[in-house]
Amino acid sequence: AQTVTQSQPEMSVQEAETVTLSCTYDTSENNYYLFWYKQPPSRQMILVIRQEAYKQQNATENRFSVNFQKAAKSFSLKISDSQLGDTAMYFCAFMKHGGGGADGLTFGKGTHLIIQP
Amino acid sequence: NAGVTQTPKFQVLKTGQSMTLQCAQDMNHEYMSWYRQDPGMGLRLIHYSVGAGITDQGEVPNGYNVSRSTTEDFPLRLLSAAPSQTSVYFCASRMDSYNSPLHFGNGTRLTVT
Repeated sequence: AQTVTQSQPEMSVQEAETVTLSCTYDTSENNYYLFWYKQPPSRQMILVIRQEAYKQQNATENRFSVNFQKAAKSFSLKISDSQLGDTAMYFCAFMKHGGGGADGLTFGKGTHLIIQP
Repeated sequence: NAGVTQTPKFQVLKTGQSMTLQCAQDMNHEYMSWYRQDPGMGLRLIHYSVGAGITDQGEVPNGYNVSRSTTEDFPLRLLSAAPSQTSVYFCASRMDSYNSPLHFGNGTRLTVT
């Protein structure tokens, strides 16, 4: 079974600062996907970024980028030039590649990110 | 596109009552799933389906039933609600490819008293 750990229950930064959310995971799989989801107060789950484990290049999406360290099983999210609208819960998630079993996402417990004006 | 639609948005039940949470998607996705979100727990997989007529259990299936008679719909049934089922429930779908992301509905907040 996979586990995903987010060690920061809550973080607070000033608007325009850069913030990094940490995520570690444990798996015996070699091929898998990693995701960051954002959940604002509206409760909607929004995909922020995803990384395929076989790709060494770190994924980027505008102000969002990841630092994927496969050997260390680490998958941190960096938000540059943070904005008030980035205030939300952020969930790290793991999905193994391949058929069989419950091929759903395994989520971490989340980090509540607060952007201060 | 409507995407993934969940109804109702809020529901209050008494212990022992039954109800069905509805989920419909209009993206022709083969894979559909149900998660529950509890404070401090993240989201956990309840049941999933890889196509019409095929369902299977996830991490926390006890107390819930599902069926998949059509590609579009994937209802979640609580046969006898318990306070431990108080949670926010999310339905999610994706294309058959493992590379495709999950699309989530907006959730149903269920309270069992």
